[in-house]
Amino acid sequence: AQTIHQWPVAEIKAVGSPLSLGCTIKGKSSPNLYWYWQATGGTLQQLFYSITVGQVESVVQLNLSASRPKDDQFILSTEKLLLSHSGFYLCAWSLGYNNQAPLFGEGTRLSVL
Amino acid sequence: DAKTTQPDSMESTEGETVHLPCSHATISGNEYIYWYRQVPLQGPEYVTHGLQQNTTNSMAFLAIASDRKSSTLILPHVSLRDAAVYHCILRVDQGGSAKLIFGEGTKLTVSS
Repeated sequence: AQTIHQWPVAEIKAVGSPLSLGCTIKGKSSPNLYWYWQATGGTLQQLFYSITVGQVESVVQLNLSASRPKDDQFILSTEKLLLSHSGFYLCAWSLGYNNQAPLFGEGTRLSVL
Repeated sequence: DAKTTQPDSMESTEGETVHLPCSHATISGNEYIYWYRQVPLQGPEYVTHGLQQNTTNSMAFLAIASDRKSSTLILPHVSLRDAAVYHCILRVDQGGSAKLIFGEGTKLTVSS
């Protein structure tokens, strides 16, 4: 069975510090991968998506970047955190066909102070 | 912007059958309707999806209007565990992948 794992579960970081969040999918080859973000009390927004290794498309500009170094790994990062980056980050995956519904990980809670 | 319209909140009692409505008046012919639910500080949980025909699984029954401009998620015999925000979403295709545009959803409260 496929599993999705996000790390870390939670982070408390200082403004201006770097950030790296990770997501790994096991049990599926060549999945489509997504990063979503939810501000506290806000709605979920898609940030990035990737349909293949090394290729990432940006959907919303939030001074964040994403990379897909391996088929089963998706990384979200920034060199300088802003207060506005606080929130809940979710990774999701889907197959590239058959209208399969994206399935979400458990998320990473980020507090920027 | 979200392409669906849902009531902000609904209340129910354990054991009841709950009908969650969703309007999607501008739906295109090949757009699927997806339902997710989310509790605080957890990722959205997939509930069901459909295109034209009504669908059913272990979690819910999805009734889709014949003109596809609306749908209703039916939750039989709800329990306290069904309390969540329920999102009705139309999938937008982007470059071979799926884009889900979340709105506020319907907050379902279940009392004992």
